[in-house]
Amino acid sequence: EDKVVQSPLSLVVHEGDTVTLNCSYEVTNFRSLLWYKQEKKAPTFLFMLTSSGIEKKSGRLSSILDKKELFSILNITATQTGDSAVYLCAVFRGGYNKLIFGAGTRLAVHP
Amino acid sequence: DAMVIQNPRYQVTQFGKPVTLSCSQTLNHNVMYWYQQKSSQAPKLLFHYYDKDFNNEADTPDNFQSRRPNTSFCFLDIRSPGLGDAAMYLCATSRGVSGGEETQYFGPGTRLLVL
Repeated sequence: EDKVVQSPLSLVVHEGDTVTLNCSYEVTNFRSLLWYKQEKKAPTFLFMLTSSGIEKKSGRLSSILDKKELFSILNITATQTGDSAVYLCAVFRGGYNKLIFGAGTRLAVHP
Repeated sequence: DAMVIQNPRYQVTQFGKPVTLSCSQTLNHNVMYWYQQKSSQAPKLLFHYYDKDFNNEADTPDNFQSRRPNTSFCFLDIRSPGLGDAAMYLCATSRGVSGGEETQYFGPGTRLLVL
């Protein structure tokens, strides 16, 4: 059965800290892995990763994929209160053409 | 700006009274998805359209139906809402399903309350 597992499920840090969010997967016919940020509304797209070892970066956020070990990490450096959200990892399964979502990591950044 | 629009943002209905949620997109994407998301849970795919081809998830209740009259619009019909159908309903679109085109972009969601 396909599964995407995120850890930790929740995390509390202080502004300025660096955090690493983890996502492991077992999905048949893997096509890509996507990260989304969800505040109190719809998920917003952060990154799509398809190749191992190539870091995607956007400001203080970066992500990398390891297709051999079947995991991805999302790093956030110098966290700010505006980074507080649920971060969703999802794997796109080819054939069925659907995203398999993890349960999310709830990040709270305190001043 | 190209975007995914959902109406209404909040919908209150009565137990058993049919309700329709709408989604439109200006991205000219081929694929449109409907998700149900309950509190503190990941989005759950209900069905999707690739152009006119409808793809239903095996565990989507028959109570949920969808229509896509044209590229821009997609509707979610809940024929007889139950209390358990109260949730956020998210519409998403993607250009395709492979080659990097599978990135999904979400609308703001419709929060459904069933009384």
